[in-house]
Amino acid sequence: DIQMTQSPSSLSASMGDRVTITCRASQTISTYLNWYQQKPGKAPKLLIYTASNLQSGVPSRFSGSGSGTDFTLTISGLQPEDFATYYCQQSYTIPRTFGQGTKLEIK
Amino acid sequence: QVTLRESGPALVKPTQTLTLTCTFSGFSLSTSGMCVNWIRQPPGKALEWLARIDWDDDKYYSTSLKTRLTISKDTSKNQVVLTMTNMDPVDTATYYCARADSSGYQDFDYWGQGTLVTVSS
Repeated sequence: DIQMTQSPSSLSASMGDRVTITCRASQTISTYLNWYQQKPGKAPKLLIYTASNLQSGVPSRFSGSGSGTDFTLTISGLQPEDFATYYCQQSYTIPRTFGQGTKLEIK
Repeated sequence: QVTLRESGPALVKPTQTLTLTCTFSGFSLSTSGMCVNWIRQPPGKALEWLARIDWDDDKYYSTSLKTRLTISKDTSKNQVVLTMTNMDPVDTATYYCARADSSGYQDFDYWGQGTLVTVSS
């Protein structure tokens, strides 16, 4: 199975900040990398698919980049509703695998 | 409008078999390239992919759980069923179903709200 490793596991930031979350795959996955946002008690929400494509309805302050094994999710200008947990997930092969999550908290 | 909804027991006893149903609307599982997945999340922990069934009835399972899982579909009812045998307290989790494009280009674009399953005697 492909292992997905996110860093950091948690992150404190202030409104308006720019933050970056990284995700590393244990083997190359091309650009088959997706990012999800999850708020407490809710299902995850797809933000970015195939590394850099913004899902419909997602604000443009979210962006993704990377290919191969290293990927980043950037949020430019944090808003109150962005404080949540973020997961990366590879869709290169089966079984699908997720990172362990990054909890973004208010500083 | 795409929707998915999970249903099943909230409480199961250890060693019992869990049966969960995902009822969906707004898309058809007979459409080429479509698939439905099951994903779970233990309280306070990360997401774990469990299984997938494709429009052509291909089925895929988690490496660690494949001996315990069975996925099936009823296209006429717009339902996907997951069974998990020999339930254990460590299987306590919220179980989600999610739609995806089987190519991997746009995974899990719609999710159900999840159903919490507790395993306890």
